[in-house]
Amino acid sequence: AQKITQTQPGMFVQEKEAVTLDCTYDTSDPSYGLFWYKQPSSGEMIFLIYQGSYDQQNATEGRYSLNFQKARKSANLVISASQLGDSAMYFCAMRELNTGNQFYFGTGTSLTVIP
Amino acid sequence: DVKVTQSSRYLVKRTGEKVFLECVQDMDHENMFWYRQDPGLGLRLIYFSYDVKMKEKGDIPEGYSVSREKKERFSLILESASTNQTSMYLCASSLAGESTDTQYFGPGTRLTVL
Repeated sequence: AQKITQTQPGMFVQEKEAVTLDCTYDTSDPSYGLFWYKQPSSGEMIFLIYQGSYDQQNATEGRYSLNFQKARKSANLVISASQLGDSAMYFCAMRELNTGNQFYFGTGTSLTVIP
Repeated sequence: DVKVTQSSRYLVKRTGEKVFLECVQDMDHENMFWYRQDPGLGLRLIYFSYDVKMKEKGDIPEGYSVSREKKERFSLILESASTNQTSMYLCASSLAGESTDTQYFGPGTRLTVL
Protein backbone atom coordinates (compact mmCIF):
# COMPACT_ATOMS: atom_id res chain seq x y z
CA ALA A 1 0.00 0.00 0.00
CA GLN A 2 1.12 3.53 -0.70
CA LYS A 3 2.39 5.33 2.35
CA ILE A 4 1.66 8.77 0.87
CA THR A 5 -1.05 9.54 -1.67
CA GLN A 6 -1.41 12.77 -3.59
CA THR A 7 -4.43 12.50 -5.86
CA GLN A 8 -4.09 15.80 -7.73
CA PRO A 9 -1.50 15.57 -10.51
CA GLY A 10 -2.14 19.18 -11.50
CA MET A 11 -3.87 22.20 -9.99
CA PHE A 12 -4.57 25.73 -11.16
CA VAL A 13 -5.22 28.74 -8.95
CA GLN A 14 -5.80 32.40 -9.62
CA GLU A 15 -3.21 34.77 -8.27
CA LYS A 16 -4.09 36.03 -4.75
CA GLU A 17 -6.51 33.16 -4.17
CA ALA A 18 -5.99 30.33 -1.68
CA VAL A 19 -5.39 26.74 -2.79
CA THR A 20 -5.42 23.39 -1.00
CA LEU A 21 -3.16 20.53 -2.05
CA ASP A 22 -4.31 17.14 -0.81
CA CYS A 23 -2.23 14.50 0.93
CA THR A 24 -3.29 11.34 2.69
CA TYR A 25 -0.97 8.96 4.48
CA ASP A 26 -0.93 5.45 5.81
CA THR A 27 0.96 4.35 8.91
CA SER A 28 0.50 2.24 12.00
CA ASP A 29 3.30 4.01 13.83
CA PRO A 30 1.81 6.38 16.42
CA SER A 31 4.82 8.69 16.10
CA TYR A 32 5.47 10.24 12.72
CA GLY A 33 6.24 13.49 11.00
CA LEU A 34 4.66 14.95 7.90
CA PHE A 35 6.51 17.29 5.55
CA TRP A 36 5.76 19.37 2.50
CA TYR A 37 8.38 20.33 -0.06
CA LYS A 38 8.30 22.67 -3.03
CA GLN A 39 10.23 21.97 -6.21
CA PRO A 40 10.42 24.87 -8.68
CA SER A 41 11.39 24.27 -12.29
CA SER A 42 15.04 24.77 -11.32
CA GLY A 43 14.88 21.40 -9.57
CA GLU A 44 15.91 22.04 -5.98
CA MET A 45 13.64 20.69 -3.25
CA ILE A 46 12.69 23.29 -0.68
CA PHE A 47 11.32 22.33 2.73
CA LEU A 48 8.12 24.25 3.49
CA ILE A 49 6.40 22.98 6.60
CA TYR A 50 6.35 20.19 9.18
CA GLN A 51 3.58 18.62 11.28
CA GLY A 52 4.22 16.11 14.05
CA SER A 53 1.72 13.40 14.86
CA TYR A 54 1.38 14.61 18.44
CA ASP A 55 1.07 18.28 17.59
CA GLN A 56 -2.23 19.62 18.82
CA GLN A 57 -2.31 22.60 16.51
CA ASN A 58 -2.02 22.83 12.76
CA ALA A 59 1.41 23.98 11.62
CA THR A 60 1.77 27.37 9.95
CA GLU A 61 4.70 29.02 8.20
CA GLY A 62 3.90 32.36 6.66
CA ARG A 63 1.45 31.78 3.82
CA TYR A 64 1.65 28.00 4.26
CA SER A 65 -0.51 26.08 6.67
CA LEU A 66 -1.12 22.41 7.13
CA ASN A 67 -4.66 21.17 7.64
CA PHE A 68 -3.93 18.11 9.79
CA GLN A 69 -6.82 15.70 10.29
CA LYS A 70 -5.35 12.78 12.18
CA ALA A 71 -8.42 10.56 12.23
CA ARG A 72 -8.74 10.88 8.47
CA LYS A 73 -4.98 10.55 8.00
CA SER A 74 -4.82 13.64 5.89
CA ALA A 75 -2.30 16.47 5.87
CA ASN A 76 -3.37 18.97 3.26
CA LEU A 77 -1.23 21.99 2.43
CA VAL A 78 -3.00 25.31 2.21
CA ILE A 79 -1.31 28.18 0.40
CA SER A 80 -2.97 31.52 1.00
CA ALA A 81 -2.77 34.56 -1.29
CA SER A 82 -1.10 32.64 -4.14
CA GLN A 83 1.76 34.29 -5.98
CA LEU A 84 3.20 33.59 -9.41
CA GLY A 85 6.33 32.27 -7.72
CA ASP A 86 4.27 29.53 -6.08
CA SER A 87 4.05 27.73 -9.43
CA ALA A 88 5.98 24.52 -8.80
CA MET A 89 5.71 20.83 -7.94
CA TYR A 90 4.68 20.12 -4.36
CA PHE A 91 5.52 16.91 -2.56
CA CYS A 92 4.08 15.50 0.65
CA ALA A 93 6.32 13.19 2.68
CA MET A 94 6.22 11.20 5.89
CA ARG A 95 8.82 9.93 8.31
CA GLU A 96 7.98 7.30 10.92
CA LEU A 97 9.74 7.43 14.30
CA ASN A 98 10.30 3.70 14.55
CA THR A 99 11.88 3.58 11.10
CA GLY A 100 13.23 7.09 11.36
CA ASN A 101 15.78 6.82 8.62
CA GLN A 102 13.49 6.60 5.64
CA PHE A 103 11.17 9.22 4.15
CA TYR A 104 8.15 8.30 2.04
CA PHE A 105 7.10 10.66 -0.73
CA GLY A 106 3.95 11.13 -2.74
CA THR A 107 3.91 11.51 -6.51
CA GLY A 108 3.52 15.26 -6.28
CA THR A 109 1.09 17.95 -7.40
CA SER A 110 1.97 20.46 -10.07
CA LEU A 111 0.57 23.87 -9.13
CA THR A 112 0.18 26.63 -11.69
CA VAL A 113 -0.70 30.13 -10.55
CA ILE A 114 -2.58 32.11 -13.19
CA PRO A 115 -2.13 35.89 -13.32
CA ASP B 1 24.05 27.55 6.11
CA VAL B 2 22.97 24.01 5.42
CA LYS B 3 24.46 22.58 2.29
CA VAL B 4 24.20 19.47 0.17
CA THR B 5 26.17 19.54 -3.05
CA GLN B 6 26.17 17.20 -6.02
CA SER B 7 29.08 16.83 -8.38
CA SER B 8 27.21 17.67 -11.59
CA ARG B 9 23.97 19.39 -12.54
CA TYR B 10 23.87 17.77 -15.98
CA LEU B 11 25.57 14.61 -17.18
CA VAL B 12 25.48 12.78 -20.50
CA LYS B 13 26.83 9.24 -20.68
CA ARG B 14 26.79 6.36 -23.12
CA THR B 15 25.15 3.00 -22.58
CA GLY B 16 27.48 0.63 -20.77
CA GLU B 17 29.60 3.33 -19.14
CA LYS B 18 30.28 3.31 -15.43
CA VAL B 19 28.82 6.45 -13.87
CA PHE B 20 29.64 8.02 -10.51
CA LEU B 21 27.35 10.57 -8.90
CA GLU B 22 28.86 12.25 -5.87
CA CYS B 23 27.06 13.92 -3.00
CA VAL B 24 28.61 15.86 -0.13
CA GLN B 25 26.92 17.37 2.92
CA ASP B 26 28.44 19.72 5.47
CA MET B 27 25.91 19.28 8.28
CA ASP B 28 27.41 16.24 10.00
CA HIS B 29 24.23 14.30 9.21
CA GLU B 30 24.17 10.59 9.86
CA ASN B 31 21.68 9.74 7.14
CA MET B 32 22.14 10.18 3.43
CA PHE B 33 19.82 9.20 0.60
CA TRP B 34 19.76 8.78 -3.15
CA TYR B 35 16.49 9.19 -5.05
CA ARG B 36 15.55 9.21 -8.66
CA GLN B 37 12.71 11.39 -9.85
CA ASP B 38 10.65 10.68 -12.93
CA PRO B 39 7.50 12.48 -14.11
CA GLY B 40 4.36 11.04 -12.53
CA LEU B 41 6.32 8.75 -10.22
CA GLY B 42 7.53 11.21 -7.61
CA LEU B 43 10.72 10.45 -5.71
CA ARG B 44 11.76 6.85 -5.49
CA LEU B 45 14.39 5.78 -3.02
CA ILE B 46 17.36 3.94 -4.51
CA TYR B 47 19.61 3.52 -1.47
CA PHE B 48 20.18 5.15 1.84
CA SER B 49 22.94 5.08 4.42
CA TYR B 50 22.60 5.68 8.14
CA ASP B 51 26.29 5.52 8.94
CA VAL B 52 29.69 5.27 7.35
CA LYS B 53 30.06 2.01 5.41
CA MET B 54 26.40 1.17 6.12
CA LYS B 55 23.79 1.02 3.39
CA GLU B 56 20.23 -0.09 2.94
CA LYS B 57 18.38 -0.84 -0.26
CA GLY B 58 15.47 1.37 -1.08
CA ASP B 59 12.61 0.67 -3.43
CA ILE B 60 14.57 0.49 -6.70
CA PRO B 61 18.18 -0.60 -6.06
CA GLU B 62 18.58 -2.73 -9.18
CA GLY B 63 21.34 -1.46 -11.44
CA TYR B 64 22.80 0.80 -8.76
CA SER B 65 25.33 0.55 -5.97
CA VAL B 66 26.52 3.03 -3.38
CA SER B 67 29.57 3.85 -1.35
CA ARG B 68 29.95 5.75 1.88
CA GLU B 69 33.55 5.80 3.04
CA LYS B 70 33.27 9.12 4.88
CA LYS B 71 30.36 10.57 6.81
CA GLU B 72 29.99 13.59 4.56
CA ARG B 73 30.13 11.81 1.21
CA PHE B 74 27.68 9.40 -0.40
CA SER B 75 28.29 8.13 -3.92
CA LEU B 76 25.85 6.53 -6.31
CA ILE B 77 27.33 4.20 -8.90
CA LEU B 78 25.76 2.97 -12.09
CA GLU B 79 27.93 -0.02 -12.94
CA SER B 80 26.78 -0.18 -16.56
CA ALA B 81 24.51 2.68 -17.49
CA SER B 82 21.38 1.94 -19.48
CA THR B 83 18.93 4.24 -21.24
CA ASN B 84 16.23 3.51 -18.66
CA GLN B 85 18.44 5.12 -16.05
CA THR B 86 18.00 8.49 -17.72
CA SER B 87 16.47 10.51 -14.91
CA MET B 88 16.89 13.24 -12.34
CA TYR B 89 18.92 12.06 -9.34
CA LEU B 90 18.51 13.77 -6.01
CA CYS B 91 20.74 13.37 -2.98
CA ALA B 92 19.53 14.25 0.51
CA SER B 93 20.71 14.10 4.08
CA SER B 94 19.10 14.21 7.50
CA LEU B 95 19.78 13.72 11.17
CA ALA B 96 19.17 10.24 12.47
CA GLY B 97 16.44 8.89 14.64
CA GLU B 98 13.96 11.72 15.06
CA SER B 99 10.78 11.96 13.07
CA THR B 100 10.88 15.73 13.35
CA ASP B 101 13.95 16.39 11.26
CA THR B 102 13.56 17.26 7.62
CA GLN B 103 15.74 16.12 4.77
CA TYR B 104 17.98 18.59 3.02
CA PHE B 105 18.38 18.14 -0.69
CA GLY B 106 21.10 18.79 -3.19
CA PRO B 107 20.37 20.60 -6.45
CA GLY B 108 19.98 17.36 -8.39
CA THR B 109 21.82 15.76 -11.30
CA ARG B 110 19.99 15.35 -14.57
CA LEU B 111 21.52 12.25 -16.16
CA THR B 112 21.00 11.35 -19.79
CA VAL B 113 22.16 7.94 -21.00
CA LEU B 114 22.43 7.67 -24.79
